[in-house]
Amino acid sequence: NAGVTQTPKFQVLKTGQSMTLQCAQDMNHEYMSWYRQDPGMGLRLIHYSVGAGITDQGEVPNGYNVSRSTTEDFPLRLLSAAPSQTSVYFCASRAQGVYEQYFGPGTRLTVT
Amino acid sequence: GENVEQHPSTLSVQEGDSAVIKCTYSDSASNYFPWYKQELGKGPQLIIDIRSNVGEKKDQRIAVTLNKTAKHFSLHITETQPEDSAVYFCAASRPLSGNTPLVFGKGTRLSVIA
Repeated sequence: NAGVTQTPKFQVLKTGQSMTLQCAQDMNHEYMSWYRQDPGMGLRLIHYSVGAGITDQGEVPNGYNVSRSTTEDFPLRLLSAAPSQTSVYFCASRAQGVYEQYFGPGTRLTVT
Repeated sequence: GENVEQHPSTLSVQEGDSAVIKCTYSDSASNYFPWYKQELGKGPQLIIDIRSNVGEKKDQRIAVTLNKTAKHFSLHITETQPEDSAVYFCAASRPLSGNTPLVFGKGTRLSVIA
């Protein structure tokens, strides 16, 4: 199993550009989530999904959209990037009924 | 909602000494408390966790203790080694239902000095 994979690893955007961060898992996990990590702020939940077709907002959802059309994939979309979205983004997944959560390697995004 | 406080934010220890990181949580309904280790350039990795029906759990050099009455839990690393240097995060979660996100502390950067 590859576990949780994320692409790209690094990305630089200009203010106002849009992009999609990709996340995929091959463990058949129902629960997937997106976090952002900023210095001194820990990991903050952006959006999460409990299964295909079901998504919900986390602590810091503004400026981000998600969808879940398949169990495996959970992309995060930035419609109009802002410098405040400069961060490291982590995708995570877990199985329904199981606490243990697995993280991907992260995407480092810089918005200039 | 849940709030998790983690201390200290940085910790330096000599190789072979012990390291202790402490977390407090606010939601008395939380019952799952994991610890994650994040090495430079990588995603967080679960190293140990504890449920509310257990007061202590140990795995080789790592142990976690939980005091539900005081709403705090701690990570103990004994006989520290340079490869223990990383950022450690604690987290808390309510009992599993459909939507049960983890709430993380802000992290502790541990440096083990050889």
